[in-house]
Amino acid sequence: DTEVTQTPKHLVMGMTNKKSLKCEQHMGHRAMYWYKQKAKKPPELMFVYSYEKLSINESVPSRFSPECPNSSLLNLHLHALQPEDSALYLCASSQFGQGALYYNSPLHFGNGTRLTVT
Amino acid sequence: EDKVVQSPLSLVVHEGDTVTLNCSYEVTNFRSLLWYKQEKKAPTFLFMLTSSGIEKKSGRLSSILDKKELFSILNITATQTGDSAIYLCASGSQGNLIFGKGTKLSVKP
Repeated sequence: DTEVTQTPKHLVMGMTNKKSLKCEQHMGHRAMYWYKQKAKKPPELMFVYSYEKLSINESVPSRFSPECPNSSLLNLHLHALQPEDSALYLCASSQFGQGALYYNSPLHFGNGTRLTVT
Repeated sequence: EDKVVQSPLSLVVHEGDTVTLNCSYEVTNFRSLLWYKQEKKAPTFLFMLTSSGIEKKSGRLSSILDKKELFSILNITATQTGDSAIYLCASGSQGNLIFGKGTKLSVKP
């Protein structure tokens, strides 16, 4: 088991639904990330929160809306998704946020949410 | 454009074999290279390399970075069936962690 907890583990939603993915870590990490991973592909970065502020948005469509209520929690709100959005959504955290030490703190991943859009 | 390239893309070996996985990178403002193991779910962290020529070791796994030639290798000795996984290499650059496509390792009994 990882120290980054994601819920739910599986989610099936229709294209008109609104749902949220949740991620939690209690390691005191100050950066949190959302990645999307399609089958047989590497993870692709979606968003980075550093010190609870959105620092990177990799041109993600607005039907994905991230939220960081506090340093331990990260949400991803989903609305009007398309079937091609079906994927494994991975949350990760790292000890440091943007700054000199940013690149020297490895990411720790959660087990992901397997999302299917019908 | 920044990129991370892994080879081979897949590899089948028998238990007890030694394998070497390769990762080359071209990233601006390179800071670190990371190796992850991914089975069915979360990529699990293996190594982070920032300095050339210093081997990092954990049990049967070891890794080294060559910043002059821009590559890293991951070695696994005396492979076991539990080593079967996708091994991901990633490099930190410009605030993003760029992943290679991974090497799928299958260890047969």
